[in-house]
Amino acid sequence: EVQLVESGGGLVQPGGSLRLSCEASTLTFRSFWMSWVRQAPGKGLEWVANIRPDGSQRHYVDSVWGRFTISRDDARNSVSLQMTSLRAEDTAVYHCVRDWDVWGQGTTVIVSS
Amino acid sequence: QSVLTQPPSASGTPGQRVTISCSGSASNLGSNYVYWYQHLPGAAPKLLIYQNYRRPSGVPDRFSGSKSGTSASLAISGLQPDDEADYYCAAWDESLSGRQVIFGGGTKLTVL
Repeated sequence: EVQLVESGGGLVQPGGSLRLSCEASTLTFRSFWMSWVRQAPGKGLEWVANIRPDGSQRHYVDSVWGRFTISRDDARNSVSLQMTSLRAEDTAVYHCVRDWDVWGQGTTVIVSS
Repeated sequence: QSVLTQPPSASGTPGQRVTISCSGSASNLGSNYVYWYQHLPGAAPKLLIYQNYRRPSGVPDRFSGSKSGTSASLAISGLQPDDEADYYCAAWDESLSGRQVIFGGGTKLTVL
């Protein structure tokens, strides 16, 4: 069973940066689209970004375009989300998702002064 | 940004059948698959339906999905107390902003 484990969350000031990482426990990671989905406190699920298996396509929700970058390293079975110029509204639990079906438990990002 | 519209709440009694709707547009449900998730507090979302109506292994056949045009629905039959959760639809969307994935706002299901 594929398991995804996120890390890198924490408390950061507005305007700051964080890098989230997600690692997979099996080799079935590399053939799939990988995504980041977040849930702000009291809100619903919001897709943030995804990346094609070969890395040739990356897509972002409008609100993070130009601030967040998704990348993958299939040799290490990992996907990352580099977040810059963070805003209070980026505060959320961030989940790593394989294709549509396997979700990590999430890592919490809090943007606050 | 394009949206998928779900009712904010739904309810039913044990044993009943409930349906949750998801309304979209030509740029999302009209041209792409719909996916449905169950989300319990403190847990990772669970995929219930993929590619409009297919069930992953392990998902009971009490859960079924359908899509017609720009609308989709999730049906839960034989409602159980453990079904009380938030339910989300999701789909790719092809808009002026490019390709994105969008989620519905979620439906909170209460088992009375």
